[in-house]
Amino acid sequence: GENVEQHPSTLSVQEGDSAVIKCTYSDSASNYFPWYKQELGKGPQLIIDIRSNVGEKKDQRIAVTLNKTAKHFSLHITETQPEDSAVYFCAAGGGSYIPTFGRGTSLIVHP
Amino acid sequence: DGGITQSPKYLFRKEGQNVTLSCEQNLNHDAMYWYRQDPGQGLRLIYYSQIVNDFQKGDIAEGYSVSREKKESFPLTVTSAQKNPTAFYLCASSISARDSPLHFGNGTRLTVT
Repeated sequence: GENVEQHPSTLSVQEGDSAVIKCTYSDSASNYFPWYKQELGKGPQLIIDIRSNVGEKKDQRIAVTLNKTAKHFSLHITETQPEDSAVYFCAAGGGSYIPTFGRGTSLIVHP
Repeated sequence: DGGITQSPKYLFRKEGQNVTLSCEQNLNHDAMYWYRQDPGQGLRLIYYSQIVNDFQKGDIAEGYSVSREKKESFPLTVTSAQKNPTAFYLCASSISARDSPLHFGNGTRLTVT
């Protein structure tokens, strides 16, 4: 099946800095790459997604980039704020398999 | 407002008892999923259903069972055969099973002692 690796597992930044989370996937047929944010005690929520016909997508302070050749995609958060502190999950889907999730990154933004 | 409702939020059971977790959606989504979340393990797929009266095993289906008799409902039963049932369980739904966003409920934390 699909295998998604996510790094780092923990990321600590100062407020105002940028944060980058990286994921790699194994199934070249995957064509849908969502990112989810999970706050404590809640279910994950979609924050941005990208499909394989696009290399980059932005939504205010967040952006996602996709390199299909290298099979990796990244989440970029600029001007981080304390409310960005959460666990972030990447996923890969659209190929032969149900979307597979990475293990998550715990982002801590220090005021 | 449309969404996914999981109940209860916290559930406590004695070892050896079966327990059923509820999941209801009013988004008119065809696909529904159950995930298990343990610290450092990410989200692991237990079962999913692409349509009413049909479901497939995920990566960790042993010790669990599901039913999909109605489009809106996808209950999960944790049986006594599940060796480590204590976990946070998340239900989700999506328009289609492979390439559309998942909408998650707020989870049920099951503790078995």
